[in-house]
Amino acid sequence: DVKVTQSSRYLVKRTGEKVFLECVQDMDHENMFWYRQDPGLGLRLIYFSYDVKMKEKGDIPEGYSVSREKKERFSLILESASTNQTSMYLCASSFPHAPSLNQPQHFGDGTRLSIL
Amino acid sequence: AQKITQTQPGMFVQEKEAVTLDCTYDTSDQSYGLFWYKQPSSGEMIFLIYQGSYDEQNATEGRYSLNFQKARKSTNLVISASQLGDSAMYFCAMRAVTGGFKTIFGAGTRLFVKA
Repeated sequence: DVKVTQSSRYLVKRTGEKVFLECVQDMDHENMFWYRQDPGLGLRLIYFSYDVKMKEKGDIPEGYSVSREKKERFSLILESASTNQTSMYLCASSFPHAPSLNQPQHFGDGTRLSIL
Repeated sequence: AQKITQTQPGMFVQEKEAVTLDCTYDTSDQSYGLFWYKQPSSGEMIFLIYQGSYDEQNATEGRYSLNFQKARKSTNLVISASQLGDSAMYFCAMRAVTGGFKTIFGAGTRLFVKA
């Protein structure tokens, strides 16, 4: 079974702080993704990566950056946290390397982040 | 632009009955994939079922099946014999070539199963 582990289930930070959300997968997947989930909006893609040290902007990258130094780990960084970044953050991974239409994504349990 | 629409914010169903969750999509691509995910209150997203645009048969996985109507651009999820554990959010999603193989998600439908 694929396991995607997010470092925290709940996180509370202050405005202006630099926040790190960590995600690790154990199935040697090339592809990793960060989404945020808000009521009524579904999941929106922040950043994704198809390989180590590679990153691509998703639909809402503003205010975020990512790091992928190792294949199994994909970190989401909030450079200077703001209250409008309070949300549920979901990490996902998938296989294979080449983009495909039929491979499902495997998700972590999510991190509920509150910015005060 | 590609879009997924789930028009039912919430649905109620009696235990042991069947329920249909609606999903329509918009894409100009001929080749695309459609997914359904379940999200229990615990938070993790669980992949349920997949339908390819060229699949001639409706997809089925246990109690889950899809009513795929390509001309109408709809892919409704049917859950048969509902169980209390089916209470969750359900998301429809699509991936197409034009979208750079990114997956786009609908807003979700919250299903409540009544005992």
